[in-house]
Amino acid sequence: GAVVSQHPSRVICKSGTSVKIECRSLDFQATTMFWYRQFPKQSLMLMATSNEGSKATYEQGVEKDKFLINHASLTLSTLTVTSAHPEDSSFYICSALPGGENTIYFGEGSWLTVV
Amino acid sequence: AQSVTQLGSHVSVSEGALVLLRCNYSSSVPPYLFWYVQYPNQGLQLLLKYTTGATLVKGINGFEAEFKKSETSFHLTKPSAHMSDAAEYFCAVSGGVTGGGNKLTFGTGTQLKVEL
Repeated sequence: GAVVSQHPSRVICKSGTSVKIECRSLDFQATTMFWYRQFPKQSLMLMATSNEGSKATYEQGVEKDKFLINHASLTLSTLTVTSAHPEDSSFYICSALPGGENTIYFGEGSWLTVV
Repeated sequence: AQSVTQLGSHVSVSEGALVLLRCNYSSSVPPYLFWYVQYPNQGLQLLLKYTTGATLVKGINGFEAEFKKSETSFHLTKPSAHMSDAAEYFCAVSGGVTGGGNKLTFGTGTQLKVEL
C-alpha cells in the first residue's frame, strides 16, 4: 500500500514551453502533497505544499507563477513548469501524506530536461 | 524550525561490515525522525521512522536507528552490509503534530558505498 506515482518519469521540452508533471496517490487519499526539487548529488529542496482544494503554500524563493501547483482532488496533484528555461532542468519529486497518518510517501521522481 | 546534519557525505564499508550513518537534528518541538533511501534515478523509499514510544526503531532491510534525545541524534545502523545497500541515504525531521505540520526537512544525504 501507500504507492505514489509520478508521470512522466522523464520529459524533454523546449525552452519557453510549459510542461506538466502529475503526482498520484494510487491507493490512498492524500490530504497534503509536497513537491521537491533535487539537483544532482544534492538533497531535496521543498518547493511547495499543497492541500486539496486550496492554494499551494510556496517556500521562500520559489516563484509561484513559474511553478504552478494544482491539487484538485485527494489523489492528484500537478506541477506545471511554465516558460521553462534550461536552469529549470532538474529531478522533481512529489510526496503525499495520507489523511490521519504521519508518514510521507514519495513518488519515483520526474526528470525534466529543458533544451 | 528544524534542521538536520548528516556527518559524512560519503561512507564506504566492506560487505559484511557494520554500517553506521550519522544524523543529528535540531528541533524546537518534539521531532518526528525519518530515514529514507534513494537508489539512482529513483524516488525515496522509507526505511524507518520514529514518532513516539520506543526509541530504538527497526526498519526494512535490516536497518535500525535509535533516537537519543540527549544527543539530538538518530543514527542509522545495520550489522552487516550487503552490496544491495549501496545507495544515498537521507535523514529527515518534521515537527510532528505539535508544530511544522508534516513538512520534512532533509539532511544533505550520505552516499553509502559497499565494497567486496
